[in-house]
Amino acid sequence: LAKTTQPISMDSYEGQEVNITCSHNNIATNDYITWYQQFPSQGPRFIIQGYKTKVTNEVASLFIPADRKSSTLSLPRVSLSDTAVYYCLVGERLGANNLFFGTGTRLTVIP
Amino acid sequence: NAGVTQTPKFQVLKTGQSMTLQCAQDMNHNSMYWYRQDPGMGLRLIYYSASEGTTDKGEVPNGYNVSRLNKREFSLRLESAAPSQTSVYFCASGGQGRYEQYFGPGTRLTVT
Repeated sequence: LAKTTQPISMDSYEGQEVNITCSHNNIATNDYITWYQQFPSQGPRFIIQGYKTKVTNEVASLFIPADRKSSTLSLPRVSLSDTAVYYCLVGERLGANNLFFGTGTRLTVIP
Repeated sequence: NAGVTQTPKFQVLKTGQSMTLQCAQDMNHNSMYWYRQDPGMGLRLIYYSASEGTTDKGEVPNGYNVSRLNKREFSLRLESAAPSQTSVYFCASGGQGRYEQYFGPGTRLTVT
């Protein structure tokens, strides 16, 4: 089971790009990297998933270096509504032994 | 398409009482999950069901039982509630994609 390490909290001003890095030194060959977002009083919401290099969708980008021991979630031009907790997960497939949310990174966007 | 629904939204129990949390999904997903989230903490997996008719323990199963009633429904039962079970409970389901889960709105449970 590849555990992850993220910063506990980050602050950013509105309109800036935010990069949240996750460390996963023990990532296995078949593991994927997935990020979730959680607003207060809501369940987590899937943001993005990747295996290597770069993945981009309408919400975020995910950068994964060649050694895959870390990954960076990039949120372009954040707004106040991006204030949330962001979780990085690493695992092979949908299954109980691979699911570890950790405490995530609390992002606060400042006006 | 409601996604994942949970009932009730809020519940207060006295120590020793029992209750069942209900969860249903309409996305035809095989896998379903129950998590708990304590204040300021991440989610911890209680039980999961990879398919109809199967259930397995997660990280924190003690004090809970589950039933996968059919493909749509997955219930969580507390037989004798304890104050340590005060938490927010989330149900989730997952399809064929890798690691993408869809979460319900949660049930906020307080045990006094």
